[in-house]
Amino acid sequence: QKEVEQDPGPLSVPEGAIVSLNCTYSNSAFQYFMWYRQYSRKGPELLMYTYSSGNKEDGRFTAQVDKSSKYISLFIRDSQPSDSATYLCAMSARNTDKLIFGTGTRLQVFP
Amino acid sequence: AAGVIQSPRHLIKEKRETATLKCYPIPRHDTVYWYQQGPGQDPQFLISFYEKMQSDKGSIPDRFSAQQFSDYHSELNMSSLELGDSALYFCASARTQAREQYFGPGTRLTVT
Repeated sequence: QKEVEQDPGPLSVPEGAIVSLNCTYSNSAFQYFMWYRQYSRKGPELLMYTYSSGNKEDGRFTAQVDKSSKYISLFIRDSQPSDSATYLCAMSARNTDKLIFGTGTRLQVFP
Repeated sequence: AAGVIQSPRHLIKEKRETATLKCYPIPRHDTVYWYQQGPGQDPQFLISFYEKMQSDKGSIPDRFSAQQFSDYHSELNMSSLELGDSALYFCASARTQAREQYFGPGTRLTVT
């Protein structure tokens, strides 16, 4: 079983919808949580970074971390066709900065 | 804003050949990470460097080696290439003590 689980999708939504992307993890040592967006054949682009539990908002994006449930989420409001990409969650523990990634969720936003 | 630069962007090698991938971090970033992403897979951590010293090691084969130079750029050297080494290789960089890693565009290595 992978340390980080993520629904691979694809997730297909109409333009303007609210999108919810989720990851669960098993390692309680994870303290730092990130969301990356990856377009086909491109490098992952950092969207959100959160430390420990709580919410963080940046424009149309909101990241949530629930350490007690070992569950993190990324919400995208007013989704746009340009949001169509693969979204990867990633996390690291206190004693190391190597990132452990989820498998990624492919999102398609249609006009 | 300046981003991580990787070269070459594409590389085709034959089995048993060697390859060298280069990474130039974002200015003032002193930490470099290497990841390997196979087709349809998530990135897997290979190795990292902080201030020119190896700081962490992941599932990097013994055939691979890497180093970070005085100008903070890094090179990943891959020898005795195998078909299974075909993948996207990403470099990421970060500032001192920062957790946010910024990825380059990747080098697509194809081994035939």
